[in-house]
Amino acid sequence: RKEVEQDPGPFNVPEGATVAFNCTYSNSASQSFFWYRQDCRKEPKLLMSVYSSGNEDGRFTAQLNRASQYISLLIRDSKLSDSATYLCVVTANQAGTALIFGKGTTLSVSS
Amino acid sequence: NAGVTQTPKFRVLKTGQSMTLLCAQDMNHEYMYWYRQDPGMGLRLIHYSVGEGTTAKGEVPDGYNVSRLKKQNFLLGLESAAPSQTSVYFCASSKQGLTYEQYFGPGTRLTVT
Repeated sequence: RKEVEQDPGPFNVPEGATVAFNCTYSNSASQSFFWYRQDCRKEPKLLMSVYSSGNEDGRFTAQLNRASQYISLLIRDSKLSDSATYLCVVTANQAGTALIFGKGTTLSVSS
Repeated sequence: NAGVTQTPKFRVLKTGQSMTLLCAQDMNHEYMYWYRQDPGMGLRLIHYSVGEGTTAKGEVPDGYNVSRLKKQNFLLGLESAAPSQTSVYFCASSKQGLTYEQYFGPGTRLTVT
């Protein structure tokens, strides 16, 4: 079962770097898309929702390509505090009755 | 405002023992969920509830039961624990359906020996 696929990483980058994460999903009926952040041994927390038109929140930019069933997250000017695992999440079906979580991509930002 | 809380935080069980995990939320959310997270796998939905008195199966419901007698509480039960149920269990809640942000509890680390 590979409904949401992410490059597991780890991505090791210096402070100030720009890093991009990719995610693909298999269910064309998925309607809602999210990026969650999970710190080591902590609970996931919503980073941002992903909209068809793309959206930006400070240093974070999310893009959605429905035709390719592809989602991306771009982090600019990386900070030490960005070190975490980033989870790509999509609704499992058109009714939105379940979420499918990717395994996550781990980012480590070093000084 | 505590958000979502889970008890206990850690537990070790022997095979065949039973236990109940408690999830409580103080945000008046309608929807509540139980997930498990295993190494190398994404979070998987065990059961969920769309309101007080209602529950439904998720992706991996076998070996678990749930109850939602009060809106703020969602209980996850293991009737006869198995080593395959060793995992980190997260409870979450959301205002309405899955298009809304899910708020997660801190997790329960369960080991079954």
